[in-house]
Amino acid sequence: SAVISQKPSRDICQRGTSLTIQCQVDSQVTMMFWYRQQPGQSLTLIATANQGSEATYESGFVIDKFPISRPNLTFSTLTVSNMSPEDSSIYLCSVTSRQGSQNTEAFFGQGTRLTVV
Amino acid sequence: LAKTTQPVSMDSYEGQEVNITCSHNNIATNDYITWYQQFPSQGPRFIIQGYKTKVTNEVASLFIPADRKSSTLSLPRVSLSDTAVYYCLVGDPYNQGGKLIFGQGTELSVKP
Repeated sequence: SAVISQKPSRDICQRGTSLTIQCQVDSQVTMMFWYRQQPGQSLTLIATANQGSEATYESGFVIDKFPISRPNLTFSTLTVSNMSPEDSSIYLCSVTSRQGSQNTEAFFGQGTRLTVV
Repeated sequence: LAKTTQPVSMDSYEGQEVNITCSHNNIATNDYITWYQQFPSQGPRFIIQGYKTKVTNEVASLFIPADRKSSTLSLPRVSLSDTAVYYCLVGDPYNQGGKLIFGQGTELSVKP
């Protein structure tokens, strides 16, 4: 299993500013994933953060808006830049772990609830 | 990654068995079926994963017919604490790098 800590758990930010969300995992992992969950919606993958290389972004998400750092195998940050009210969402960090010879299971942090005013 | 379709919402009562069906007509040979549970203000939590036939763990059972175009998550004797959103995901966990594509999910409401 994996334990993921995210900081901050919530924040209220002014439009036009930026917020950096931190994600710490209790074990070394090759890839970390960042998701967004808008109010009342499902999760949408923003990007995959690989250690030692640039993040891979999904369609509709760009590095200028959501820069990601991955300095080592246990840590990543996601920055939400130049925020607008439309960025108000829960942002979640995730890793995947293979459980023995069977299940491949994803573990999620508690999320960061961002409100942009 | 195969697209999934599941009911938007379901209601149940405590003590009942709940079956949530997910359609995935375009499932590929290497795809597995995985279900996650999400409570409000929490990240999703893994429930069960299977490839074919039936899988059972301490939480739920997963039934997968021979054609694998659908699957059913079965929750025995639900309680109020099972009220959550349940997501069905289909994909190859070994070759898609661990990224997950979530569908809309099924919001289960358990009433006393």
